[in-house]
Amino acid sequence: AQSVTQPDIHITVSEGASLELRCNYSYGATPYLFWYVQSPGQGLQLLLKYFSGDTLVQGIKGFEAEFKRSQSSFNLRKPSVHWSDAAEYFCAVGADNNDMRFGAGTRLTVKP
Amino acid sequence: DGGITQSPKYLFRKEGQNVTLSCEQNLNHDAMYWYRQDPGQGLRLIYYSQIVNDFQKGDIAEGYSVSREKKESFPLTVTSAQKNPTAFYLCASSVPRTSGSGNLLFGPGTRLTVL
Repeated sequence: AQSVTQPDIHITVSEGASLELRCNYSYGATPYLFWYVQSPGQGLQLLLKYFSGDTLVQGIKGFEAEFKRSQSSFNLRKPSVHWSDAAEYFCAVGADNNDMRFGAGTRLTVKP
Repeated sequence: DGGITQSPKYLFRKEGQNVTLSCEQNLNHDAMYWYRQDPGQGLRLIYYSQIVNDFQKGDIAEGYSVSREKKESFPLTVTSAQKNPTAFYLCASSVPRTSGSGNLLFGPGTRLTVL
């Protein structure tokens, strides 16, 4: 089965600074890639997804992610972080049979 | 409104008892999933089902069982064989990617505590 690695357990950035969250996947075919966010006490919300086409995808709340096949990566970025972005972020990879696996998550803390 | 319902929100059971977590969706989605969320371990797949009367094991299926007798329902039973059942359980469903979606929609979750 496919797998996902999020190397950073916890990241702290200052408000207004740029952000990059790393995601590496393992899958033998073309992956379907997703980023979700889970705010404290909230459910999981889809930020963006990649199926095919343009490797730079735009999502909600000003997030974007870039698919790099050669690096098996799908890193999430935001140019300027807001305090409300503090949350846990999950990368996921889907297979053709609808099997969907998630990473361990990266917890983001935003300093004032 | 369409959505995914999980009940109850909090569930307490004594060790050695089986317990069934409910998951219902009225979105007409084909695929449904059960994940377990533990701090620092992300979401781990327990079981998923692509269609009625069919389901596949995920990474941590041992000690769990599921059924998919109806399209809208995918209950999860946590059996006494599950060694560490206390966790937050999330149910999800999705439309196939051929329909242009493919992302999962999640229910609010059930927090199970085994005493």
